[in-house]
Amino acid sequence: QKEVEQNSGPLSVPEGAIASLNCTYSDRGSQSFFWYRQYSGKSPELIMFIYSNGDKEDGRFTAQLNKASQYVSLLIRDSQPSDSATYLCAVNPRGYSTLTFGKGTMLLVSP
Amino acid sequence: DAGVIQSPRHEVTEMGQEVTLRCKPISGHNSLFWYRQTMMRGLELLIYFNNNVPIDDSGMPEDRFSAKMPNASFSTLKIQPSEPRDSAVYFCASSLYRVYEQYFGPGTRLTVT
Repeated sequence: QKEVEQNSGPLSVPEGAIASLNCTYSDRGSQSFFWYRQYSGKSPELIMFIYSNGDKEDGRFTAQLNKASQYVSLLIRDSQPSDSATYLCAVNPRGYSTLTFGKGTMLLVSP
Repeated sequence: DAGVIQSPRHEVTEMGQEVTLRCKPISGHNSLFWYRQTMMRGLELLIYFNNNVPIDDSGMPEDRFSAKMPNASFSTLKIQPSEPRDSAVYFCASSLYRVYEQYFGPGTRLTVT
């Protein structure tokens, strides 16, 4: 069974702080990893993807991947109230051309 | 450029009725995905098309659900007969190549009473 686990939250952080969102996955052979952001009542939008172990930075966002631990995280630096949303972790399992999504972590950034 | 287009945006129907959801993917994208999202189960893949051919329909809940993609610019998801447990938001997404960067449509919120 392909599983992607996330803490549902909400994760509350003050404006300007670093928000850390975590995700674990069950399929050790998973190939690629994605973070989607979903505002309330809206559709998911891709914000980051990572394929190799280590860190990948894009602006205020950093994705971290540790395949040995089957763990992927998203760091948001200088969090803004506009970052308040649900963040979905998605994994491309080995042998599949599709994504398995976690249920998401709600992030609340307070002014 | 237009994104993924879905219609209708909202659908309210009675149990037992047929429901048809429509999707127009982004022009040039060759992969199309239908998802269902509920609070309990999150975002679930129902079916995946590549070059208009169904590749993976293992997520289709039961025979009441069917999907077609007659051409590269149109897909439908049909539920017949509908049941209250089908109430959810249904998203269509397309991508240029398989899983890479999927673009989601605005979704159809389906309520079955």
